[in-house]
Amino acid sequence: EAQVTQNPRYLITVTGKKLTVTCSQNMNHEYMSWYRQDPGLGLRQIYYSMNVEVTDKGDVPEGYKVSRKEKRNFPLILESPSPNQTSLYFCASSPGLTRAGGYTFGSGTRLTVV
Amino acid sequence: RKEVEQDPGPFNVPEGATVAFNCTYSNSASQSFFWYRQDCRKEPKLLMSVYSSGNEDGRFTAQLNRASQYISLLIRDSKLSDSATYLCVVNYSGRTGNQFYFGTGTSLTVIP
Repeated sequence: EAQVTQNPRYLITVTGKKLTVTCSQNMNHEYMSWYRQDPGLGLRQIYYSMNVEVTDKGDVPEGYKVSRKEKRNFPLILESPSPNQTSLYFCASSPGLTRAGGYTFGSGTRLTVV
Repeated sequence: RKEVEQDPGPFNVPEGATVAFNCTYSNSASQSFFWYRQDCRKEPKLLMSVYSSGNEDGRFTAQLNRASQYISLLIRDSKLSDSATYLCVVNYSGRTGNQFYFGTGTSLTVIP
């Protein structure tokens, strides 16, 4: 089944404790992205990657890191989480602009930083 | 100014009604357009792409007006299962990169 898998689904952590949210897709998509969703603000892009070893900042990159060493994986790293990073996070992938198609999203990670 | 703007609603309509959502976008060079549906606490799922000539999928019709920079979604014969948040998405690729811009969503509740 074609899908985007992100883990964990739920995470409660403490301020300053490094964490990684994993994201993997099995559709051979070139384009991957991370979003956070907050009430009243909608989906905001954190980082995106157009291909292996190519990453770019989205609208709200501060406090986050990403890497794209393999095509299928695009982990999101919070080096020192803070309470304002409490949010619902979505990973998504897309075939890329050269081919028609929107995003396929993962099921989401609900992160709480206390 | 936001890249994509939608009326947040909520829209509360009776079963069987026809409802329309509009969405405006600011970048005239935007290239791809989509409507997504998001159920509470779930991931957004692609409902349909929006093509310049307009397109229909069952009870759903999407239209694009490039001159006025808006897209629309029409739902006919509303079902209870149509209750969700509908997100307008615009894609732009330029010198600064490739980005998808999401509206904040329009909430629809279909009432029995």
